[in-house]
Amino acid sequence: AQSVTQLDSQVPVFEEAPVELRCNYSSSVSVYLFWYVQYPNQGLQLLLKYLSGSTLVESINGFEAEFNKSQTSFHLRKPSVHISDTAEYFCAVSALGYSTLTFGKGTMLLVSP
Amino acid sequence: GAGVSQSPSNKVTEKGKDVELRCDPISGHTALYWYRQSLGQGLEFLIYFQGNSAPDKSGLPSDRFSAERTGGSVSTLTIQRTQQEDSAVYLCASSLARGRRAEAFFGQGTRLTVV
Repeated sequence: AQSVTQLDSQVPVFEEAPVELRCNYSSSVSVYLFWYVQYPNQGLQLLLKYLSGSTLVESINGFEAEFNKSQTSFHLRKPSVHISDTAEYFCAVSALGYSTLTFGKGTMLLVSP
Repeated sequence: GAGVSQSPSNKVTEKGKDVELRCDPISGHTALYWYRQSLGQGLEFLIYFQGNSAPDKSGLPSDRFSAERTGGSVSTLTIQRTQQEDSAVYLCASSLARGRRAEAFFGQGTRLTVV
């Protein structure tokens, strides 16, 4: 079985500041890793994913995440956030060959002017 | 439609009543999932359908919960004798297949309130 820990339930930052949302996972088998974003009153959208290859993955809106196998982490980072990045971010894991996603409890990113 | 469609978007029901939540997955997607999102609890896996295989029901919290998928497409999640703790947002997702191509696309959810 897999589990995901998102240590921070809420992260307040000022606009244009850097941010890191932490995600650690536990699994006895190899995994795929995902970050989903949920904007206010909207459904979940895939932000980025790690399947294999380069451990650094990027999204189209400036977020990046790095898979660190030794630390079992997949932290999400952005060097400069915008007000529009305010949303809840969910880290998720699925075991290779199995599609069910196990989610963390989410981190609410609050960006203020 | 272009995305996963769920109905109703909101449902208020009295404790003890049965409710049915509907999910229309993306056309051609063989895998379908139901999750429950409760405040402060993240997303909880409920049930997974893949093609004609027996569904994975390991996440259903009690025998009051059941789901079916007709014709490999539309799915209905049924909650019998609803309780207040069933209040949550119920999310449906679909994906093409297992493995590395299994990006899940989520619907907007059904917000269930049991009063």
